[in-house]
Amino acid sequence: AQSVTQLGSHVSVSEGALVLLRCNYSSSVPPYLFWYVQYPNQGLQLLLKYTTGATLVKGINGFEAEFKKSETSFHLTKPSAHMSDAAEYFCAVGNSGGGADGLTFGKGTHLIIQP
Amino acid sequence: DSGVTQTPKHLITATGQRVTLRCSPRSGDLSVYWYQQSLDQGLQFLIQYYNGEERAKGNILERFSAQQFPDLHSELNLSSLELGDSALYFCASTPSGRAPYNEQFFGPGTRLTVL
Repeated sequence: AQSVTQLGSHVSVSEGALVLLRCNYSSSVPPYLFWYVQYPNQGLQLLLKYTTGATLVKGINGFEAEFKKSETSFHLTKPSAHMSDAAEYFCAVGNSGGGADGLTFGKGTHLIIQP
Repeated sequence: DSGVTQTPKHLITATGQRVTLRCSPRSGDLSVYWYQQSLDQGLQFLIQYYNGEERAKGNILERFSAQQFPDLHSELNLSSLELGDSALYFCASTPSGRAPYNEQFFGPGTRLTVL
């Protein structure tokens, strides 16, 4: 069974500061990992994903994440926060071992940007 | 705009009733996924259909059922509704049925309120 843990249900940073959203996963097979963003009253949008290969993954809107197998982590970062980054962020793991393709999501982290 | 459409946007009903949520996937996508987002449980995978056939089940209650039609749109049927079924229901689509590394494109959701 897979699981995802996102540390911190709310994270507050100042505009221009580093954004760090933490995600740890549990999977018995090599995972596929995703970060999705949800803006108010909207559906989820993919920020970035890790499947195989390079462990540092770059996504949209200046976000990136690093897959660290030894730490079972896939933390999301952005060097400089912008007001428009305020949203809910979800880390998810996909099943690479066959079976259901449905994603397993973390509980989400609400990112607050202080002016 | 992800290209995935969901209707209705909002639905208010009473306990014990039955409702149907509708989803149209992106043009050309064969797989449809249903997810439930609630404050208690977060985002949970319910069920996946691929080209008209049920592919995988997640945490879907027996009171809930789904189907995918020949034109590839999908419906999620929720019956004997309870207060705890109040949630945001998302549909997502991907081109194929066995590719867990694929980006899932999410619709805007249907907000169900059970009174």
